[in-house]
Amino acid sequence: SYELTQPSSVSVSPGQTARITCSGDILAKKYARWFQQKPGQAPVLVIYKDSERPSGIPDRFSGSSSGTTVTLTISGAQVEDEADYYCYSAADKNRAFGGGTKLTVL
Amino acid sequence: EVQLVESGGGLVQPGGSLRLACSASGFIFSDYVMHWVRQAPGKGLEYLSAISSLGSNAYYTDSMKGRFTISRDNSKNTLYFEMSSLRAEDTAVYYCVKDPMDVWGQGTTVTVSS
Repeated sequence: SYELTQPSSVSVSPGQTARITCSGDILAKKYARWFQQKPGQAPVLVIYKDSERPSGIPDRFSGSSSGTTVTLTISGAQVEDEADYYCYSAADKNRAFGGGTKLTVL
Repeated sequence: EVQLVESGGGLVQPGGSLRLACSASGFIFSDYVMHWVRQAPGKGLEYLSAISSLGSNAYYTDSMKGRFTISRDNSKNTLYFEMSSLRAEDTAVYYCVKDPMDVWGQGTTVTVSS
């Protein structure tokens, strides 16, 4: 199995840029997805294939990849973006989520 | 509307068994790989299992092998997850997820306790 490592927390003020990283060897070879989860709700896919945004996701959400690290960027973070964020990647024999990052916007 | 609705959760004693179901609607169920993901109280997401669109291939996280079985009935648009030898640490919300993980059910809660 493999691991994906995320910071446990990130904090920004409203309007600032939030960056959440996810590191793991598999990310050099496989795409990552990012999920947003608010309290009491199911996760929502916000980025797939490292940098693609599903329809309905605001364009302030973006993703990038470099080597074994992927980054979720929220440009001009808003109070409603406060949530837990999880990265995910999958290879033929290994699939896993990162440990999650709590984003605080205040 | 694309929708996934899980059912079958509840309170079960340690060592017991449970079968979760996920009813799909609003898309061609038999075209998609389906997944199960769980989340223990206050913890992160844990990937469990996946099944191919026609049900011929299944994947399990190493820690899930042997106790849990994923299956599907495409004629009923339903995904299943059979769990046995349940332990306290299996207590979690269990989510049914459509590939490419763009649609999630609301989750069903499994509590393993005596």
